[in-house]
Amino acid sequence: AQSVTQLGSHVSVSEGALVLLRCNYSSSVPPYLFWYVQYPNQGLQLLLKYTTGATLVKGINGFEAEFKKSETSFHLTKPSAHMSDAAEYFCAVSPDSSASKIIFGSGTRLSIRP
Amino acid sequence: EAGVTQFPSHSVIEKGQTVTLRCDPISGHDNLYWYRRVMGKEIKFLLHFVKESKQDESGMPNNRFLAERTGGTYSTLKVQPAELEDSGVYFCASSQRVWGNEQFFGPGTRLTVL
Repeated sequence: AQSVTQLGSHVSVSEGALVLLRCNYSSSVPPYLFWYVQYPNQGLQLLLKYTTGATLVKGINGFEAEFKKSETSFHLTKPSAHMSDAAEYFCAVSPDSSASKIIFGSGTRLSIRP
Repeated sequence: EAGVTQFPSHSVIEKGQTVTLRCDPISGHDNLYWYRRVMGKEIKFLLHFVKESKQDESGMPNNRFLAERTGGTYSTLKVQPAELEDSGVYFCASSQRVWGNEQFFGPGTRLTVL
């Protein structure tokens, strides 16, 4: 069975500081990994995804994530936080390339201090 | 191109009543998914349609929940009778391609059962 663990339900950083949101997964097969973001009063938006190939994945709004198989991690980073990054972020895994369900972590709410 | 839409955005009902949620996927998307987030916990998969057929309904909590997708277009999720623990945000998503499994999410319906 697959699962996703997000460390920290709430992370607060200063504007301009590094953003690091942690995600670990468990999977018996090579996973497809995702980060979604939910801005207030909006739906979930795909930030980035890892399927195969390069382990460093770049997404929208300056975010990136690195797939580390040995650590079963897929942490999300951004070098410099912006006030507009305040949102809830979800790490997720899918078992394969077919159209199937996505398994989500519990989410991390990111706050940005001026 | 219009995204995934859901109606209503909010619904407040009393225990024992019936509620029907609607989801309109992106035009041309054969795959339609329902997810639910209860009380700030993780977003959990409910079921998956391929056109009008239920591909996977392993996440449906019990027989008080009935999902339909007549004609393979929009979908409805009926809860009858509603219980307090059904409160949460119900998300719908759709996808077109089999490979990559990129699902596009709607804004969700917030259901409150009193």
